[in-house]
Amino acid sequence: QEQLLESGGGVVQPGTSLRLSCAVSGFNFNNFGMHWVRQAPGKGLEWVAVISYEGSKRYYSDSLEGRFTISRDTSKNTLFLQINSLRPEDTGVYFCAKRRAIFMLTFGGGDALDFWGQGTMVIVSA
Amino acid sequence: DIQMTQSPSSLSASVGDRVTITCQASQDITNHLNWYQQKPGKAPKLLIYDVSNLETGVPSRFSGSGSGTHFTFTISSLQPEDIASYYCQQYDTFPCSFGQGTRLHIK
Repeated sequence: QEQLLESGGGVVQPGTSLRLSCAVSGFNFNNFGMHWVRQAPGKGLEWVAVISYEGSKRYYSDSLEGRFTISRDTSKNTLFLQINSLRPEDTGVYFCAKRRAIFMLTFGGGDALDFWGQGTMVIVSA
Repeated sequence: DIQMTQSPSSLSASVGDRVTITCQASQDITNHLNWYQQKPGKAPKLLIYDVSNLETGVPSRFSGSGSGTHFTFTISSLQPEDIASYYCQQYDTFPCSFGQGTRLHIK
């Protein structure tokens, strides 16, 4: 049974940093790429970032302006998202999600996000 | 970047109705189109991948069709448990992108 559990959210001030975690179990973390997706309150889903199964390739949404870094620790079966220079518009729920295809180094060309965590809430407010 | 335009943004229907949602891509994405369901306060759930393939365990009343730039998601007979928001997503070209969502209500 695949399980993903996000943590690290909270109420933070603008300009500060935060590191979100996503602990996974129930599947071989080393074999799958992983995504972060966020959702502002009352809004739709916004894709944030993806990392390849072995961690060598990353891709980010253009709108993030270099403030986000996705990483993974295979020894801990954990995915991370470092967010710097937080802004009020970063407020929302952050979901981690597993890539459906196994052992894929390329992005695009078809695939899906087949298991999701319940999300962690980030509120950026002075 | 590829833009996904989903319609309608909101939909009200009765139990037993046939419900259709459309998704238009700003450029050809072949068959790399997925559909997700999100219930209030919950994580999204993958329903359909690559236009028309049902994820394991998804009821057969859900279906998808289309190719290129125009795609359709259908619930053949709406059930009370289908009340949710639905999102299309293109996974053809990165950055991948979601439609703005369709909120489905019971009439």
